[in-house]
Amino acid sequence: EAAVTQSPRNKVTVTGGNVTLSCRQTNSHNYMYWYRQDTGHGLRLIHYSYGAGNLQIGDVPDGYKATRTTQEDFFLLLELASPSQTSLYFCASSEIANTEVFFGKGTRLTVV
Amino acid sequence: AQSVTQPDARVTVSEGASLQLRCKYSYSGTPYLFWYVQYPRQGLQLLLKYYSGDPVVQGVNGFEAEFIKSNSSFHLRKASVHWSDSAVYFCAVSAPGYQNFYFGKGTSLTVIP
Repeated sequence: EAAVTQSPRNKVTVTGGNVTLSCRQTNSHNYMYWYRQDTGHGLRLIHYSYGAGNLQIGDVPDGYKATRTTQEDFFLLLELASPSQTSLYFCASSEIANTEVFFGKGTRLTVV
Repeated sequence: AQSVTQPDARVTVSEGASLQLRCKYSYSGTPYLFWYVQYPRQGLQLLLKYYSGDPVVQGVNGFEAEFIKSNSSFHLRKASVHWSDSAVYFCAVSAPGYQNFYFGKGTSLTVIP
């Protein structure tokens, strides 16, 4: 079973604060994704990557940066957090682009 | 562009009843289709997937789905639900050559004992 681990699981920050969400997958999957989940919107893709050093823009990238430092690690950065970024964030990975995706348990971020 | 519509935001059924959760997609070719389930405080888990071949696919825990190309649908079914099936269900679509997925907004299922 593929394992995707996110940290922290919960985070509270202030408006304008700097936040980094971390994700590690242990199955050497090529693709990694960051989604946000909001009531009424389902899951929306923020950024994704198909390998170390690669970054692709998703559907809702504004206000977010991401970096894939290794095959295993994918980070989501909010440099000036805003209340609109209060959400549940999921990291996911897949071996190839459009096949089964494995999700982490999520990080609940609150921006006050 | 691809899109996925799950027209029912909430569904409530009695334990032992049959279930159908609806999913319609927008894509001109033959897509890759998925159903995921999300239990409280958990990430999404794959229930079943369709790439090609037999349009009826079996998944875990007695779930199945049928791909009907003429209707652009991929409805999820279960013959007899259990209270533990209460969760949020997401339909997702991808396609050959695409690098990501499109998810529906989800259907929250409540099974009444």
